[in-house]
Amino acid sequence: AQSVSQHNHHVILSEAASLELGCNYSYGGTVNLFWYVQYPGQHLQLLLKYFSGDPLVKGIKGFEAEFIKSKFSFNLRKPSVQWSDTAEYFCAVYGGSQGNLIFGKGTKLSVKP
Amino acid sequence: DTEVTQTPKHLVMGMTNKKSLKCEQHMGHRAMYWYKQKAKKPPELMFVYSYEKLSINESVPSRFSPECPNSSLLNLHLHALQPEDSALYLCASSPGGAGETQYFGPGTRLLVL
Repeated sequence: AQSVSQHNHHVILSEAASLELGCNYSYGGTVNLFWYVQYPGQHLQLLLKYFSGDPLVKGIKGFEAEFIKSKFSFNLRKPSVQWSDTAEYFCAVYGGSQGNLIFGKGTKLSVKP
Repeated sequence: DTEVTQTPKHLVMGMTNKKSLKCEQHMGHRAMYWYKQKAKKPPELMFVYSYEKLSINESVPSRFSPECPNSSLLNLHLHALQPEDSALYLCASSPGGAGETQYFGPGTRLLVL
């Protein structure tokens, strides 16, 4: 069965530090890839997505992600985090016959002011 | 209108009660989803409706009963729930199939006593 791995359970950064959150998936065929963010007490919001084309995708709030097919990865990056980026980040993958979106376990990001 | 709305925001029910959760979207989306999210965990898919027909049921106990009265509305009927069913119930919609971007509602926080 398809799976999505987010290796970092909790990341703690100071403001202005750079961020990279890892996401790896197991499906070898064509995939649609997503990063969602869940701010404290709020609902899941789409940060960015990749369906095809340029493997470097830019999302909202200065986030970007790079799809590396050979590594089955879709890592999320931000050059300089802010306190307001404190949230839970979920990578999600849709691929093939699975028929539904598979979420990773999430990474909690805490940004210290 | 890019919103998915859910009512109620909070619900407390006893194990013998019958209640319903409601979800509505006016984006013309033809696929709608119910997810269950426990604290500090990713969303778990429960049901998918595609063009108002149930297309995926992820082996959810029969005490959860989904209903899609029309393309804009999705209900989740609850009966004889257990305390372990306490969770955040999320509704989502997408334009067509599951591989497309899913837009999430704020959720209903359910407590079963």
